[in-house]
Amino acid sequence: TQLLEQSPQFLSIQEGENLTVYCNSSSVFSSLQWYRQEPGEGPVLLVTVVTGGEVKKLKRLTFQFGDARKDSSLHITAAQPGDTGLYLCAGGLEETSGSRLTFGEGTQLTVNP
Amino acid sequence: EAGVVQSPRYKIIEKKQPVAFWCNPISGHNTLYWYRQNLGQGPELLIRYENEEAVDDSQLPKDRFSAERLKGVDSTLKIQPAELGDSAVYLCASSVGGLGQPQHFGDGTRLSIL
Repeated sequence: TQLLEQSPQFLSIQEGENLTVYCNSSSVFSSLQWYRQEPGEGPVLLVTVVTGGEVKKLKRLTFQFGDARKDSSLHITAAQPGDTGLYLCAGGLEETSGSRLTFGEGTQLTVNP
Repeated sequence: EAGVVQSPRYKIIEKKQPVAFWCNPISGHNTLYWYRQNLGQGPELLIRYENEEAVDDSQLPKDRFSAERLKGVDSTLKIQPAELGDSAVYLCASSVGGLGQPQHFGDGTRLSIL
């Protein structure tokens, strides 16, 4: 059983569309991070959220941490081909003081021009 | 600043052969991680070092995998003997401190077992 469930697993959209990807768990996280990974490269950190209900914006990307710190979402407005990549959420379990980062399986996003 | 450097980028070996991966973390980062990423999945932690001490190796298959971080800087991950199921990308990451700190990843070593 995957500790962090990401949905959808695959998403293919046209340039200019909006999208939301989700990261859900039954466990409470002390912090949650979102990464983007491109082929042949390692994941690159986009944002860290630590407070329940927290919302962070990074240009066209909006990240939200659930009130109970068990889930998170990533919303992209007006997607561009450069947004194409594998989006990974990763959480530090509260029960282990966040010392181990657990990754979801990722959402593969393709933005077509 | 220079990022996390890993080598080699690619490695192809026959099963039962040994293989080693090398990682040079970002200068000043005391925490180093080794992950394995299978195709279509997220990274899975193999081992975490705080300086030269392995503080979390519970998910390292110790019958064939070993790691070391001499002097608390560079690290090597070894597999001996390699099995077909070991084919994956092996990622190294480093951070300043461990708890909830952003991790900086290298580009990984893609291992293929024939």
